[in-house]
Amino acid sequence: GQNIDQPTEMTATEGAIVQINCTYQTSGFNGLFWYQQHAGEAPTFLSYNVLDGLEEKGRFSSFLSRSKGYSYLLLKELQMKDSASYLCAVVEGGATNKLIFGTGTLLAVQP
Amino acid sequence: NAGVTQTPKFRILKIGQSMTLQCAQDMNHNYMYWYRQDPGMGLKLIYYSVGAGITDKGEVPNGYNVSRSTTEDFPLRLELAAPSQTSVYFCATSKGGSVYEQYFGPGTRLTVT
Repeated sequence: GQNIDQPTEMTATEGAIVQINCTYQTSGFNGLFWYQQHAGEAPTFLSYNVLDGLEEKGRFSSFLSRSKGYSYLLLKELQMKDSASYLCAVVEGGATNKLIFGTGTLLAVQP
Repeated sequence: NAGVTQTPKFRILKIGQSMTLQCAQDMNHNYMYWYRQDPGMGLKLIYYSVGAGITDKGEVPNGYNVSRSTTEDFPLRLELAAPSQTSVYFCATSKGGSVYEQYFGPGTRLTVT
């Protein structure tokens, strides 16, 4: 079956670093996306990993270990505007780019 | 460029009514998707299309239909609306292939009472 697990909620302090974990068990794997979704808005792309290792993009980094079925999103120098849901999504495989989404992690950044 | 647009933004339907959710894109992307998002849940794929004239079922297709006569448009049809279809519906597009990100429209919030 398909299973993607993320913590439901996290709280962090402005200026700090937070790590959001995602573990997955899927029938196929062709990469993993992280999306950000502010309340009442559409998801927007943050990162994509298909090979093991760390991808860094400004204040955001994403890590993947395929052998462990594990990824994390690292947010540095947290800002209030980073308060949002963070969605982990696994590409099921094949040419259709079908995504299997986790339920998302709601991050609250406090002053 | 408008990107991905969806209409309407909000809609209230009575049980048994039908409606079409519109999705249009000007990004010239071949791949288009319909998702629903229930509170506290991840996005679930309803239907997708890899090009004009080609559609296929996703994870939760029951109660919905789609068509794709042009590259730009991908309407989602709800027949005989049920309370279980109360949700936020997102349309998305991608250039294609597993490495490409998906671009989401602003969503349609549907309530069936």
